Amino acid sequence: AQSVTQPDIHITVSEGASLELRCNYSYGATPYLFWYVQSPGQGLQLLLKYFSGDTLVQGIKGFEAEFKRSQSSFNLRKPSVHWSDAAEYFCAVAPPGSARQLTFGSGTQLTVLP
Amino acid sequence: DGGITQSPKYLFRKEGQNVTLSCEQNLNHDAMYWYRQDPGQGLRLIYYSQIVNDFQKGDIAEGYSVSREKKESFPLTVTSAQKNPTAFYLCASSMGQGVSDAFFGQGTRLTVV
Repeated sequence: AQSVTQPDIHITVSEGASLELRCNYSYGATPYLFWYVQSPGQGLQLLLKYFSGDTLVQGIKGFEAEFKRSQSSFNLRKPSVHWSDAAEYFCAVAPPGSARQLTFGSGTQLTVLP
Repeated sequence: DGGITQSPKYLFRKEGQNVTLSCEQNLNHDAMYWYRQDPGQGLRLIYYSQIVNDFQKGDIAEGYSVSREKKESFPLTVTSAQKNPTAFYLCASSMGQGVSDAFFGQGTRLTVV
């Protein structure tokens, strides 16, 4: 069965600092990979996704993620964090070829200090 | 504007009562999904439907029921058999059979009192 691990429950960064959120997955083949963001009491918004090809994926709001097959990782990065980025971030995977079901990580809560 | 509407945003239920959460989409999406979210956990799939009049159990379907009589609607009933129903419930929809471009609703927070 596929699984996703987000090892950091909570991360605090200062505004303007760089950010990296970690995501590791367990799956026999390369799955489809996603990052979502959730503001308090809201639904999820897709930041970016990886299916195949270029391992560096650009998303919305200045986020990017890099797929590293050798490390089974799909870490999310942003060069300079804004106060509005404070939210919870979820990594998710789905079976390749049929993204019928998403398996989500437990999430990383991001706090941004002024 | 196209989107997914979940109602109500907050819902309180007495123990032993069934309650139905509404999910409506006007995106003309074929597939719809219900997820449950608990603090410190990711989303877990309850049920999903790929076409009208068809739906499949997800990972945690026990104590829940759904129907898909119309393409735009996918209501979720939390029955009295659900032992721990207090949670945040999210509905999503996507074109075709994949969730690669799923749109999520704003969620319904259910509290059992």
